[in-house]
Amino acid sequence: SAVISQKPSRDICQRGTSLTIQCQVDSQVTMMFWYRQQPGQSLTLIATANQGSEATYESGFVIDKFPISRPNLTFSTLTVSNMSPEDSSIYLCSVEGGQGTTGELFFGEGSRLTVL
Amino acid sequence: GENVEQHPSTLSVQEGDSAVIKCTYSDSASNYFPWYKQELGKGPQLIIDIRSNVGEKKDQRIAVTLNKTAKHFSLHITETQPEDSAVYFCAVTGFQKLVFGTGTRLLVSP
Repeated sequence: SAVISQKPSRDICQRGTSLTIQCQVDSQVTMMFWYRQQPGQSLTLIATANQGSEATYESGFVIDKFPISRPNLTFSTLTVSNMSPEDSSIYLCSVEGGQGTTGELFFGEGSRLTVL
Repeated sequence: GENVEQHPSTLSVQEGDSAVIKCTYSDSASNYFPWYKQELGKGPQLIIDIRSNVGEKKDQRIAVTLNKTAKHFSLHITETQPEDSAVYFCAVTGFQKLVFGTGTRLLVSP
């Protein structure tokens, strides 16, 4: 299994501002995934972040709104830009398990953002 | 793309009863079916999974069954305990990613 740490765990933000969420993993991983979980809803994949290349965004999510960095194999950041109340959600970082566990995802505790 | 439906959305049981949550999916090529438990204020945690070459898998009080022909799979929890109270999500592999169901809020009353 992987241990994933996210910062901040929660924050209250003002409309129009941006916030960067950090994700640190205790082992080197090829792909890191960012999910959004709106209040009382399921998990929706925002993008997949590979080290050394541009992130791949899912339909409905764009780089200008959710820029992602992946500077090395254990760290990634997700920025939520120009926030509005609709961006109030839990943002989750996840990674796949080790070799032989294709599809098995481990999640961080999430970053709960409230936009006023 | 893959479409995953999960039922029921909420489930209330008495301690000691069994609970069953069902998911249906659309893509017959899907081959990995995990279940996640999310407790309040925490990230989802994998509790059991099954791959398409297996029809059933059990781990103590929890089990998952898969019917690939009908494209549905179910989570079974026996002898439920209050600490089983949480939101449960099924998921299905789409193209190189997991697609999650809508979630079931399970409440186990003492």
